[in-house]
Amino acid sequence: KQEVTQIPAALSVPEGENLVLNCSFTDSAIYNLQWFRQDPGKGLTSLLLIQSSQREQTSGRLNASLDKSSGRSTLYIAASQPGDSATYLCAVNGGRDGNKLVFGAGTILRVKS
Amino acid sequence: EAGVAQSPRYKIIEKRQSVAFWCNPISGHATLYWYQQILGQGPKLLIQFQNNGVVDDSQLPKDRFSAERLKGVDSTLKIQPAKLEDSAVYLCASSFGPVKGTQYFGPGTRLLVL
Repeated sequence: KQEVTQIPAALSVPEGENLVLNCSFTDSAIYNLQWFRQDPGKGLTSLLLIQSSQREQTSGRLNASLDKSSGRSTLYIAASQPGDSATYLCAVNGGRDGNKLVFGAGTILRVKS
Repeated sequence: EAGVAQSPRYKIIEKRQSVAFWCNPISGHATLYWYQQILGQGPKLLIQFQNNGVVDDSQLPKDRFSAERLKGVDSTLKIQPAKLEDSAVYLCASSFGPVKGTQYFGPGTRLLVL
């Protein structure tokens, strides 16, 4: 059964810092991995999707990497801003659990101004 | 382009009562998902539809939860009877195709069972 773990569970940083969020998964037979952002009381917004054949994806200040063989992904946020404060969720698609997203519990990020 | 719509946004009920949630996916999206997100956890897939057929309902508590997607568009998720542990946010998502496509999420329905 696919299991996804995110570390740290919570993170508080001053504005302007670069930061890294970590995600690990137990079954490397995945189709892709996605990073989502969730704001309080709102749904999930997809930030980046990395196909299993890719190593990384970039969007603005965000960069996500994937090491499928070791079952790890990182989300790098450059020059953090207070507006980045949210919960960041990692989800893997595929593996021996079938074709569905399996989510981690998320990292709660707070960027202080 | 309109996003995924859900209603109601909030619902408070007593245990053993019934409740229903509604979802309207993005136009043209054949695949629809219902997730349950308990406070402090990531979303867990309850059921996945491809058009109006069920693809995966392995994690749906079928003794109390039911879902349908008539005509392959809108969907409803029902809980009857509700238990305290059903308190959660119920998220609906849709994608153009199954498996590898990006899923787009609605705002969710926050359910509190007292």
